[in-house]
Amino acid sequence: AQKITQTQPGMFVQEKEAVTLDCTYDTSDPSYGLFWYKQPSSGEMIFLIYQGSYDQQNATEGRYSLNFQKARKSANLVISASQLGDSAMYFCAMISGGGFKTIFGAGTRLFVKA
Amino acid sequence: EAEVAQSPRYKITEKSQAVAFWCDPISGHATLYWYRQILGQGPELLVQFQDESVVDDSQLPKDRFSAERLKGVDSTLKIQPAELGDSAMYLCASSLVADPYNEQFFGPGTRLTVL
Repeated sequence: AQKITQTQPGMFVQEKEAVTLDCTYDTSDPSYGLFWYKQPSSGEMIFLIYQGSYDQQNATEGRYSLNFQKARKSANLVISASQLGDSAMYFCAMISGGGFKTIFGAGTRLFVKA
Repeated sequence: EAEVAQSPRYKITEKSQAVAFWCDPISGHATLYWYRQILGQGPELLVQFQDESVVDDSQLPKDRFSAERLKGVDSTLKIQPAELGDSAMYLCASSLVADPYNEQFFGPGTRLTVL
């Protein structure tokens, strides 16, 4: 069965520090994609970063990087130099080959302290 | 910048009433998704369209929920009758069809409260 697990309901980080949000996944498909989305209190989901299962290098997008460890089935999001505006819910998601159905984790709420 | 439009943004209804939500995807996006997000949880896919065809509605409670995308552009999600447990955020998203691993672009959502 396909599954996304985010074990951190909430995280605190000091402004300007780096933070890692954990995500583990489970799928039997060799082809899959992993996404991270940000959801501010306003409700919209904002795409942050994508990692394909066959990508050799870890994805990076500005202050966001994805620590992809295929053997451990983990896809942790690293946010460098945290800003107050980073306070939000963060969701890890997966699309796997076959049905290409997207499944989301339960999310991690990040609080950035001034 | 192109955006996914949804209306209404907020809806309050009484149980057993009918409600409908509308979504207009980004122009040119053939794939459209409806998600339900219960407070404190991640979004759950209800239905996925490719143009006007349903490709996945396995999680759609078909006894009360229906979705259509008649012309392959905008879409309507209906609940009849609404139940207390339907209170949630309903998110619409769209993506390009060329690559299923493309990012999904989400609308602002419709927050439904059933009294």
